[in-house]
Amino acid sequence: ETGVTQTPRHLVMGMTNKKSLKCEQHLGHNAMYWYKQSAKKPLELMFVYNFKEQTENNSVPSRFSPECPNSSHLFLHLHTLQPEDSALYLCASSQRGASSGNTIYFGEGSWLTVV
Amino acid sequence: QQQVKQSPQSLIVQKGGISIINCAYENTAFDYFPWYQQFPGKGPALLIAIRPDVSEKKEGRFTISFNKSAKQFSLHIMDSQPGDSATYFCAASMNNAGNMLTFGGGTRLMVKP
Repeated sequence: ETGVTQTPRHLVMGMTNKKSLKCEQHLGHNAMYWYKQSAKKPLELMFVYNFKEQTENNSVPSRFSPECPNSSHLFLHLHTLQPEDSALYLCASSQRGASSGNTIYFGEGSWLTVV
Repeated sequence: QQQVKQSPQSLIVQKGGISIINCAYENTAFDYFPWYQQFPGKGPALLIAIRPDVSEKKEGRFTISFNKSAKQFSLHIMDSQPGDSATYFCAASMNNAGNMLTFGGGTRLMVKP
């Protein structure tokens, strides 16, 4: 139990499908993140939410749409993806403060395959 | 430039040996340098971290060495064990960016029995 739970763990979807990844953190944190992990770019930050507000969008294509309804839940809505979007999508959370150094806790990831 | 370069990409060490992974950075505003360990099928987990006001930090068999003038830091795993086989990521962040971590490319470590 990592404190950050991701579902589903594995997802196969067609390029025309619409699906969502879900993340829940049980650590009382106020910041949540989506990272993409692939062989090409091992840990690539996608989105950052602080106190439910999106504060970072790292030039992510619009076919990825995040949603953060509260500080404990984070979604990544997927639509019209491409095969090159196949990767491990990691959710993470931390306490957000003015200074660096707060530990980021990762979930176990959702393996996405686009066919 | 917010890049962190990590080497080697892969490393094979005999049980009981020393594993050394190196990272270099460009941005002198970085002030926090964590190392994350990732086992297959798991998310990365914080292993050890250092700030630039010290040159070395040791936790058990794991040591970070930090060279501020060279803008380099490294992870040393003493008495490496097969259970240490994992992917290791160095990272860096800066004070005015909160927890925005910039990760290195990762090192896949295999410790042979």
